[in-house]
Amino acid sequence: EVQLLESGGGLVQPGGSLRLSCAASGFTFSSYALSWVRQAPGKGLEWVSSISDRGGATYYADSVKGRFTISRDNSKNTLYLQMNSLRAEDTAVYYCAKHLLNIVARPVMDVWGKGTTVTVSS
Amino acid sequence: EIVLTQSPGTLSLSPGERATLSCRASQSVSSSYLAWYQQKPGQAPRLLIYGASNRATGIPDRFSGSGSGTDFTLTISRLEPEDFAVYYCQQYGSSPFTFGPGTKVDIK
Repeated sequence: EVQLLESGGGLVQPGGSLRLSCAASGFTFSSYALSWVRQAPGKGLEWVSSISDRGGATYYADSVKGRFTISRDNSKNTLYLQMNSLRAEDTAVYYCAKHLLNIVARPVMDVWGKGTTVTVSS
Repeated sequence: EIVLTQSPGTLSLSPGERATLSCRASQSVSSSYLAWYQQKPGQAPRLLIYGASNRATGIPDRFSGSGSGTDFTLTISRLEPEDFAVYYCQQYGSSPFTFGPGTKVDIK
């Protein structure tokens, strides 16, 4: 079964840092681009970042550019999101998702994790 | 940035009825790189349609997508009880890859 499992969420103070992880199983991890998508409480979906299959190409939303870094370790089948200088508006459920096609610049996502919750508050 | 507008915000229908959801883009979506997702409370989104009209694996044929350029439609031919949810469109033709605000389909 194809699965994605996020971890690393929690409560952090404004200005703090957090690293999210997403462990994958059931598919050839190194053959697919991946993305992070977030959803603030009671709000809609917001694409955050995408990374190519080998990690050489990345894309970011303007709202996180310069603060968040997406990366992956294909030897561990794991995707990461390093989040620095966190703000209250970063509070959300963060989902990792696999691209349907292995094209980093075409993030249509066919497999999603259950999400991990990040709360930025003092 | 391509801004997506979905209408209506809420659609109140009965099981068995037809649902028509609209997604309009602020500029043309290249090569119909438009997807639709379904999300139920407390769950992750589920891909329904990609490329404007292609059903994802395992999606029932009562779901269909159409449109091009700036106007796209998701149609659910006959609503089943499990179809009451929020539906999002997403363009993946140009970064930033934006989502619409969603249409909630609830039971009348």
